[in-house]
Amino acid sequence: DAKTTQPPSMDCAEGRAANLPCNHSTISGNEYVYWYRQIHSQGPQYIIHGLKNNETNEMASLIITEDRKSSTLILPHATLRDTAVYYCIVRVGGGNQGGKLIFGQGTELSVKP
Amino acid sequence: GAVVSQHPSWVICKSGTSVKIECRSLDFQATTMFWYRQFPKQSLMLMATSNEGSKATYEQGVEKDKFLINHASLTLSTLTVTSAHPEDSSFYICSARDSSGSGDTQYFGPGTRLTVL
Repeated sequence: DAKTTQPPSMDCAEGRAANLPCNHSTISGNEYVYWYRQIHSQGPQYIIHGLKNNETNEMASLIITEDRKSSTLILPHATLRDTAVYYCIVRVGGGNQGGKLIFGQGTELSVKP
Repeated sequence: GAVVSQHPSWVICKSGTSVKIECRSLDFQATTMFWYRQFPKQSLMLMATSNEGSKATYEQGVEKDKFLINHASLTLSTLTVTSAHPEDSSFYICSARDSSGSGDTQYFGPGTRLTVL
């Protein structure tokens, strides 16, 4: 699976958009980009995933560059409860081809009042 | 999203005893579940992939005889830490893969905090 690079930490003001970048320059054509977050002492929470197209759900938007070598997770209006470690993961999708999620160090997002 | 539960949420045991942790997918069937371990201030480390009705696949460096995994049904996987030692104290987290519908997503349980005295 392709490796990802994320900044170790970021700050965001409450109510503003949080833009979390991720580099995955060695991503393969059949690898999906997944985002999870982990609030202290809890299990990771699924946020969103995508392959090529931009995706949006009730939690966030995922913007994937045309060459798929990087992506950005956008939390449109960050709240204090969004303070967490955010993980960007690429993995082979579907079937029995694997599906393992290998976690890197992630980005520790601190939302400040 | 789909719900995955773990039981117990925390456990304290004496050195040398065995501890069983259950992972259940509550509203979907999961042919594949995963077990992770997380030490303080570190990221999650994948221990093994659990497939319903077959043997688990362990990651390199994980002792299969120490961490016994059973995936007897489509909604339940168990991890047994045998002959636990203080260095096995950790946060154990499972995930279940939901391949139904148009998505293919893993959902995580809340974790089990194991303390070995």
